[in-house]
Amino acid sequence: GAVVSQHPSRVICKSGTSVKIECRSLDFQATTMFWYRQFPKQSLMLMATSNEGSKATYEQGVEKDKFLINHASLTLSTLTVTSAHPEDSSFYICSASFTEAFFGQGTRLTVV
Amino acid sequence: SQQGEEDPQALSIQEGENATMNCSYKTSINNLQWYRQNSGRGLVHLILIRSNEREKHSGRLRVTLDTSKKSSSLLITASRAADTASYFCATANYGGSQGNLIFGKGTKLSVKP
Repeated sequence: GAVVSQHPSRVICKSGTSVKIECRSLDFQATTMFWYRQFPKQSLMLMATSNEGSKATYEQGVEKDKFLINHASLTLSTLTVTSAHPEDSSFYICSASFTEAFFGQGTRLTVV
Repeated sequence: SQQGEEDPQALSIQEGENATMNCSYKTSINNLQWYRQNSGRGLVHLILIRSNEREKHSGRLRVTLDTSKKSSSLLITASRAADTASYFCATANYGGSQGNLIFGKGTKLSVKP
């Protein structure tokens, strides 16, 4: 089946720094990718819809200046957590659609 | 906002038993999907059932969909310890773009050897 690769799988960063997470569709072109965040013991919450060649669409309550999304090509979307704080620590997952939604492996972000 | 609500929130069974998880949702859907998530890992797609389907099978998995009741169930037969994970239902809403899924809170399944 289709594969979505997310990198890194785990990252620890200092408070105030920025972290970039990559999401790649390996064997299909994805005009739309989605970014989700999962709080501990909770379900996934959609953060934003990433559209190739245009601005991302953010869900209500998600700060677009803090969570920068770039979808420069049909196979790559990036999420940059800017000026990270401990409350940004979470599990971030991307997905891309082909015949159905395919998910990346997720990135565990810990801000210390 | 979350749409799917799984029931129960946690389920503990013995290996070999069947596990049934339920999901309810609120609005009209295009399809409903079930995912599995091992602790701290990404999601694994298990099965998709379309709004015009009532039942679907995949190996030891059986999914039903009742659009009149806005509910779905996931049955895992002859469970194994390796089935221990959290299971989520997710709905793709009518008119929504593919991939824009709304997830429930999940059922944490524990299968004891």
